[in-house]
Amino acid sequence: NAGVTQTPKFQVLKTGQSMTLQCAQDMNHEYMSWYRQDPGMGLRLIHYSVGAGITDQGEVPNGYNVSRSTTEDFPLRLLSAAPSQTSVYFCASSYLTGREGYTFGSGTRLTVV
Amino acid sequence: EDKVVQSPLSLVVHEGDTVTLNCSYEVTNFRSLLWYKQEKKAPTFLFMLTSSGIEKKSGRLSSILDKKELSSILNITATQTGDSAIYLCAVYNIRTSGTYKYIFGTGTRLKVLA
Repeated sequence: NAGVTQTPKFQVLKTGQSMTLQCAQDMNHEYMSWYRQDPGMGLRLIHYSVGAGITDQGEVPNGYNVSRSTTEDFPLRLLSAAPSQTSVYFCASSYLTGREGYTFGSGTRLTVV
Repeated sequence: EDKVVQSPLSLVVHEGDTVTLNCSYEVTNFRSLLWYKQEKKAPTFLFMLTSSGIEKKSGRLSSILDKKELSSILNITATQTGDSAIYLCAVYNIRTSGTYKYIFGTGTRLKVLA
């Protein structure tokens, strides 16, 4: 049972580059989300999805795109990386009913130089 | 606006002490309240609470929800240095509009001194 798998674990980008952070879950969860966590700021929601083909914005969506073509996968795309996007990114998933809690991936530490 | 507030923001105790962390919420259409422990990595799940007055326990940790007071406490007895972490509280709500959201507090930073 893999749970929520995030790749890569670490990434360094140059300003202006684009990349995709991968998130996959094998629990058949409808709800998937992406957060960023910066020192002293707590977890801030970037985007979330309640099912395949349905996505919505969170608190800090600018500079990020998402899509949900399957139940299992919810990739996060950085369109043109900026130093302000240096952060730790977490993917999380749950059943839409919230039963059995909310499971986090191990995180991706991204540095934009 | 929905919000979750945790207190205290930070706490320093000595090994063996008992600590109580607080989480209060103002959230419409409450479904559940969750506690997490975060060390230098991803948050790890501790408890999920949905019913008032029922204590959940795991070893030295316990938690209880009070839906009348819109709050929850997390107790840690006989603290150890390994309990040093940020403890996060989150509330899950499902609005009639069909919006689903986990709302996180900013956490309580606990440091346990040997």
